[in-house]
Amino acid sequence: AQTVTQSQPEMSVQEAETVTLSCTYDTSENNYYLFWYKQPPSRQMILVIRQEAYKQQNATENRFSVNFQKAAKSFSLKISDSQLGDTAMYFCAFMIGTSYGKLTFGQGTILTVHP
Amino acid sequence: DGGITQSPKYLFRKEGQNVTLSCEQNLNHDAMYWYRQDPGQGLRLIYYSQIVNDFQKGDIAEGYSVSREKKESFPLTVTSAQKNPTAFYLCASTPTRDRMGQPQHFGDGTRLSIL
Repeated sequence: AQTVTQSQPEMSVQEAETVTLSCTYDTSENNYYLFWYKQPPSRQMILVIRQEAYKQQNATENRFSVNFQKAAKSFSLKISDSQLGDTAMYFCAFMIGTSYGKLTFGQGTILTVHP
Repeated sequence: DGGITQSPKYLFRKEGQNVTLSCEQNLNHDAMYWYRQDPGQGLRLIYYSQIVNDFQKGDIAEGYSVSREKKESFPLTVTSAQKNPTAFYLCASTPTRDRMGQPQHFGDGTRLSIL
């Protein structure tokens, strides 16, 4: 079975600074996908970024980027130029390539951006 | 606009009562999922369906039931056998099952409480 671990229950950052959220996973699969989702106080789940395991290049979406270390099974999220609207719970999620979309989620990290 | 609609937004259950949460999508997605989220925790998979008239149990299916009679609809029934139903329930879907690794799209959720 796959597991996803987010070791930081809570993080805080000042506006305009950079913060990194950690995620590790455990799997014996080679074909898989990794995601970061954001859940603001409205509780809506919003996709932040997606990484394909067979691609060595780290995914980037505007201020959001990942550091994907396949050998270490690590998938951290870096948020640059943090904004107040980034305040949310962030979930790391794992999907086996043959699982037709089944996700395994980590426990989440609550990020608070202070003005 | 295409999306996933969950209703109602808030639901209250009496002891011994079954309640049904609605999930409708107009994204033409084949696969649909139900998750449970407890306060401050990650999402746990209840049931999922990859195709009409077929569904599989997730990690915490006991006390829940589903049906998939139409591609667009995947209702979840919380039965009286579910002794601790108070939680936030999220429905999700993904594009065609032949496209691996696509992110899940989520509805806005239903908050269920016991009266």
